[in-house]
Amino acid sequence: DQQVKQNSPSLSVQEGRISILNCDYTNSMFDYFLWYKKYPAEGPTFLISISSIKDKNEDGRFTVFLNKSAKHLSLHIVPSQPGDSAVYFCAASGYSGNQFYFGTGTSLTVIP
Amino acid sequence: DTEVTQTPKHLVMGMTNKKSLKCEQHMGHRAMYWYKQKAKKPPELMFVYSYEKLSINESVPSRFSPECPNSSLLNLHLHALQPEDSALYLCASSLIKDRADYGYTFGSGTRLTVV
Repeated sequence: DQQVKQNSPSLSVQEGRISILNCDYTNSMFDYFLWYKKYPAEGPTFLISISSIKDKNEDGRFTVFLNKSAKHLSLHIVPSQPGDSAVYFCAASGYSGNQFYFGTGTSLTVIP
Repeated sequence: DTEVTQTPKHLVMGMTNKKSLKCEQHMGHRAMYWYKQKAKKPPELMFVYSYEKLSINESVPSRFSPECPNSSLLNLHLHALQPEDSALYLCASSLIKDRADYGYTFGSGTRLTVV
């Protein structure tokens, strides 16, 4: 049973425009969320996180939004750059947990 | 040093071979993890070590044997694997277990092919 879902396997965006990646979860006990970026043949790299006490967290070009009532989070990248092309995973955990549940990933392609 | 280093990067082994994967970190992290990732799938947790003791084994077959000789090193011993075990094996570490807000640092993985 997939507790974290990323329903869009791929996304293409023009350079300079906004990229929006979406993630849904089913477990209401999740209260900490992460986004990871993964290049081919490399391990995931932490991007940005958010806890359930917030609904928005910004770090440079990256902003994560959390809608707890909808059990939905999204990652906005503005402006998108070709170097952002990678697979993006969202992951969720209970605050005191040690296991992250990963979504299946969204492959982002930023077109120059 | 803010990295998790995994060796080898690539490994091809026969079904009768014995091999080991190695993971090393020098960030003072006391929790270390093995994940398995198949193509186009999310990483799946295999084992968790906390303070060098095995904390979680996610019902992994005994042909995978983890070992944590010290706080900086995590090994995964492989024996009698099957072709379906071919995958990317990721090591990760975190400051301590049970604190999700610290997140993980991942290694770049070992691409394992079983022939």
